[in-house]
Amino acid sequence: EAGVAQSPRYKIIEKRQSVAFWCNPISGHATLYWYQQILGQGPKLLIQFQNNGVVDDSQLPKDRFSAERLKGVDSTLKIQPAKLEDSAVYLCASSPWTRGDTQYFGPGTRLTVL
Amino acid sequence: GQQLNQSPQSMFIQEGEDVSMNCTSSSIFNTWLWYKQDPGEGPVLLIALYKAGELTSNGRLTAQFGITRKDSFLNISASIPSDVGIYFCAGHGNAGNMLTFGGGTRLMVKP
Repeated sequence: EAGVAQSPRYKIIEKRQSVAFWCNPISGHATLYWYQQILGQGPKLLIQFQNNGVVDDSQLPKDRFSAERLKGVDSTLKIQPAKLEDSAVYLCASSPWTRGDTQYFGPGTRLTVL
Repeated sequence: GQQLNQSPQSMFIQEGEDVSMNCTSSSIFNTWLWYKQDPGEGPVLLIALYKAGELTSNGRLTAQFGITRKDSFLNISASIPSDVGIYFCAGHGNAGNMLTFGGGTRLMVKP
């Protein structure tokens, strides 16, 4: 069974530029999550989707971050404009409908903002 | 909000030694998860615990869900060099499907 796929794996941009990340969850997983992991810390949830609806985006900085999951499968996370403090690894995870407590992570996208 | 205190922050041990790390919380969790993260990769699920008092093994790894539902520990027996990495605990509570992560334990194994 294929795992969670993410791209790109690495991205370097200058502050005030825009960037987008892509995630393809495990087939059949209804729930998709985006996490931000700052160096030396555990992942922090940004947004959670159930199919194509947002369940929790309370920790998403909505002035600059946006995410969508239009067809209930793939998802994109966008940052516009980026700030230096956005430098982090952005992780996507997915879980089955019935086991939201068991999440499987992708390899992440390492973002460096200069 | 919920917070998880994970300790120790780092460990440097000799190959063959046993390792123990734990997480404590100020809140009750319904599920405890333990993940391992290698450099440049996402966290990989090692063990999931779903009931208070549950003790679960996965090879050389053993984890327990504390009776109070506010703590969990992970033991690694007979450590090997490939055990090197960062181990994270995560708790899942009643508030939606949000996972709360500990700060991680960095394990280094000397051959």
